[in-house]
Amino acid sequence: EAGVAQSPRYKIIEKRQSVAFWCNPISGHATLYWYQQILGQGPKLLIQFQNNGVVDDSQLPKDRFSAERLKGVDSTLKIQPAKLEDSAVYLCASSFSGTNTEAFFGQGTRLTVV
Amino acid sequence: GENVEQHPSTLSVQEGDSAVIKCTYSDSASNYFPWYKQELGKRPQLIIDIRSNVGEKKDQRIAVTLNKTAKHFSLHITETQPEDSAVYFCAASPPGSARQLTFGSGTQLTVLP
Repeated sequence: EAGVAQSPRYKIIEKRQSVAFWCNPISGHATLYWYQQILGQGPKLLIQFQNNGVVDDSQLPKDRFSAERLKGVDSTLKIQPAKLEDSAVYLCASSFSGTNTEAFFGQGTRLTVV
Repeated sequence: GENVEQHPSTLSVQEGDSAVIKCTYSDSASNYFPWYKQELGKRPQLIIDIRSNVGEKKDQRIAVTLNKTAKHFSLHITETQPEDSAVYFCAASPPGSARQLTFGSGTQLTVLP
């Protein structure tokens, strides 16, 4: 089966610029997650969608981060304006709904803020 | 919220030896504990998981044990091979349909030939 697709793979921007990441989950997966993985750390959940609704965005820095999943399929994560500490890999994952489901990860977008 | 601690942060073993990675969690309500393997520059991939109604699960050379009372779980890899070299992450998730994973900080496993 096709995996979770993310683009771009790499992005370098200057601080205070804006950036957007795109994710296409596995077909049929209603749940979509965005994780931030800082170098040397485990992934940290930023936001979780169930179809096109937000389940949890408690760890999303809402003053600069936003995410949407308008049609319940693809999702975009935006940072505006970016800070140096936003440098990380942004991982998208998806899963079927339900309690016994595996989360499948995309390859991630490596963001470097200079 | 949930807090997952993982150790050691780095682990080197000789090929053929066993490797053990340990994690503790804070939320007694957590009931799903997956382990992910992440090779350099690649996506995390699930290698094994365990649910709280089971104490041990094994899949070929990989096993996971869970102690709910002590709130810790461990990954055991036997007969290690060079291709087992990677970063391993444990995670914990609360019950319900929202599978929000809280990850540990990772263990860099190096298998020396």
